[in-house]
Amino acid sequence: DAGVIQSPRHEVTEMGQEVTLRCKPISGHDYLFWYRQTMMRGLELLIYFNNNVPIDDSGMPEDRFSAKMPNASFSTLKIQPSEPRDSAVYFCASRHRGMAGELFFGEGSRLTVL
Amino acid sequence: AQKITQTQPGMFVQEKEAVTLDCTYDTSDPSYGLFWYKQPSSGEMIFLIYQGSYDQQNATEGRYSLNFQKARKSANLVISASQLGDSAMYFCAMSNHNYGQNFVFGPGTRLSVLP
Repeated sequence: DAGVIQSPRHEVTEMGQEVTLRCKPISGHDYLFWYRQTMMRGLELLIYFNNNVPIDDSGMPEDRFSAKMPNASFSTLKIQPSEPRDSAVYFCASRHRGMAGELFFGEGSRLTVL
Repeated sequence: AQKITQTQPGMFVQEKEAVTLDCTYDTSDPSYGLFWYKQPSSGEMIFLIYQGSYDQQNATEGRYSLNFQKARKSANLVISASQLGDSAMYFCAMSNHNYGQNFVFGPGTRLSVLP
C-alpha cells in the first residue's frame, strides 16, 4: 500500500490567503485524523472522521478552519483566511477501527504563513 | 476527558545503556490502547509499540518494551541498549475504544543518545 499521502509537502503563503491541505488515507481505513504540530503546542488533534463523518471537531482552533471528507479516499483541511500563527506542520493519519489499530501518518504538510 | 502526561521534556542516555521514558494517562474508559511513536529530526512519525488495557503481559518489540502499570495509569517506554539512531522525540498516545476511538498524544520527550 502507498501509505497516507498528503499534499502539498510545503506551502508558503501570505496572510489572508486561502490554504487547502489534502489527504488520501490508506485504503480500507475507516478513521481519518488531522493534527497540527508546533513547538509551542505539540501535536494537537484538530478533527477526526469515522466513515467520512466528522466525529469530533472540538480541536479546530476557530471558524477559519474547516475540514471535509467527501469520500473514503479523500479529505481536505482548509484555512481561510490564513494567519501567521497558523504556521505549523499539519499531519493527516488514518487507522482501521479496533483498539489495536495503530495510527498511520502521512509525511505532513509544512505551512508557512508570512 | 482523556489526557496523556509526559513529565520529561528531555532525557540523555549513554550509548548502549537502557533508558525509561515516562508516560501517565487519564481516562474513564475501561477499554483503551496505549501507543508509543518516535519522531526523528526528519519529521516522520514512526509507530513503535502498542499495549491494550486488557493485555496481561507487557508488550515488547525488539529493543522496546512497555512497562504497563494499570493501577497507576502509567505506560513507560523502556529502550534497551540505546543507539545513536534512537535520538528523537518520543510520544505516548492513547485511543479510547468506547469514546469514539479518538487518538490523543502527550507533549513528548526528546531523547538524546550520547556516544
